[in-house]
Amino acid sequence: QQQVKQSPQSLIVQKGGISIINCAYENTAFDYFPWYQQFPGKGPALLIAIRPDVSEKKEGRFTISFNKSAKQFSLHIMDSQPGDSATYFCAASSLGGYQKVTFGIGTKLQVIP
Amino acid sequence: DSGVTQTPKHLITATGQRVTLRCSPRSGDLSVYWYQQSLDQGLQFLIQYYNGEERAKGNILERFSAQQFPDLHSELNLSSLELGDSALYFCASSRQGSNEKLFFGSGTQLSVL
Repeated sequence: QQQVKQSPQSLIVQKGGISIINCAYENTAFDYFPWYQQFPGKGPALLIAIRPDVSEKKEGRFTISFNKSAKQFSLHIMDSQPGDSATYFCAASSLGGYQKVTFGIGTKLQVIP
Repeated sequence: DSGVTQTPKHLITATGQRVTLRCSPRSGDLSVYWYQQSLDQGLQFLIQYYNGEERAKGNILERFSAQQFPDLHSELNLSSLELGDSALYFCASSRQGSNEKLFFGSGTQLSVL
């Protein structure tokens, strides 16, 4: 059972465009929603994260939008660059508890010049 | 560099065999997580240890086992290997066990022939 559904699984965006990746979760006990970025041959690395008490968090060109009532959150990459080409994973967990971090299936982003 | 060390980087073995994957967490991190990554399943949580004790268990097969030693390094043992066990196995660590920020190693690519 996939508790975090992520789409699309692959995405091609032109340089300078906006990349948007969507995720939906089921477990209302989740209270921490990170995004991880993975380059080929490397492990995932934390990119940005949000708690459900805010609807948006921005760090540079990366923004998370969070809709608690819809149980959805998304990653927006503004002014996408070829160096952003990577696989992106959304995730959800419950901080401080014993709940595992549940990852989405991943989105392979390719930014073309 | 995340500070998490996984060995070996690559492992090729035959069906029915047993292998051990090793993980050294970041200095000071008490919690270790094991994930299995495959193309169609994304990142699947296997098991988490905190300061030597098992804290959470995911979809880990009975043929798989893990432990965390007093020096906090961890080993994942895979036995009676099957073709379907071929995957990338990641270890991650965090300061406490709160799931807030996971630091991933570069993974061990296991190929079962």
